[in-house]
Amino acid sequence: QKEVEQDPGPLSVPEGAIVSLNCTYSNSAFQYFMWYRQYSRKGPELLMYTYSSGNKEDGRFTAQVDKSSKYISLFIRDSQPSDSATYLCALSKAAGNKLTFGGGTRVLVKP
Amino acid sequence: EAGVTQFPSHSVIEKGQTVTLRCDPISGHDNLYWYRRVMGKEIKFLLHFVKESKQDESGMPNNRFLAERTGGTYSTLKVQPAELEDSGVYFCASSQVDGGLFIGTQYFGPGTRLLVL
Repeated sequence: QKEVEQDPGPLSVPEGAIVSLNCTYSNSAFQYFMWYRQYSRKGPELLMYTYSSGNKEDGRFTAQVDKSSKYISLFIRDSQPSDSATYLCALSKAAGNKLTFGGGTRVLVKP
Repeated sequence: EAGVTQFPSHSVIEKGQTVTLRCDPISGHDNLYWYRRVMGKEIKFLLHFVKESKQDESGMPNNRFLAERTGGTYSTLKVQPAELEDSGVYFCASSQVDGGLFIGTQYFGPGTRLLVL
């Protein structure tokens, strides 16, 4: 069983829609929860991070962590075609430690 | 400020040959990480340097892989001899403890695409 599960998609939405992404994990030792965005032929780029449970908002992006359910989410409001990319959740047991990634969800925002 | 750079961007080699990948981290970053993504799988951790020391090499698949970081600056990852299953994208990331609210943000390079035939 994978430590982090993420639906691979693809997830296709019309421009302006809300994109909802999520990951589940099995190890309660994870303390840091991150979302990376990866465009084709590029490296992952950090979008959001959260420490422990709760919500965090940054512009059009909202990250949620529910440690009791071992479930993390990323919401993208007012989605744009430029948001089309693969979104990866990444978890860490301590700051600076190795990242454990989900498989990534490919998102396509259609104009 | 320059980001993490990796060289080469692509490499095609035959089984049994040797390949050396290079990573230049962001200047001043003490932490350097290697990850790999094989076809259809998630990105997986290989190892972590703090300066020139190996902090965690639990993800190294076998002794055909050798990572070095002489002088605590750039790092190389050598695969010798390469096997078919080594094909994939090799990412390097770097981070620094900066005393901010979140320490250890990992910045990724564009990756090296390795194909072993």
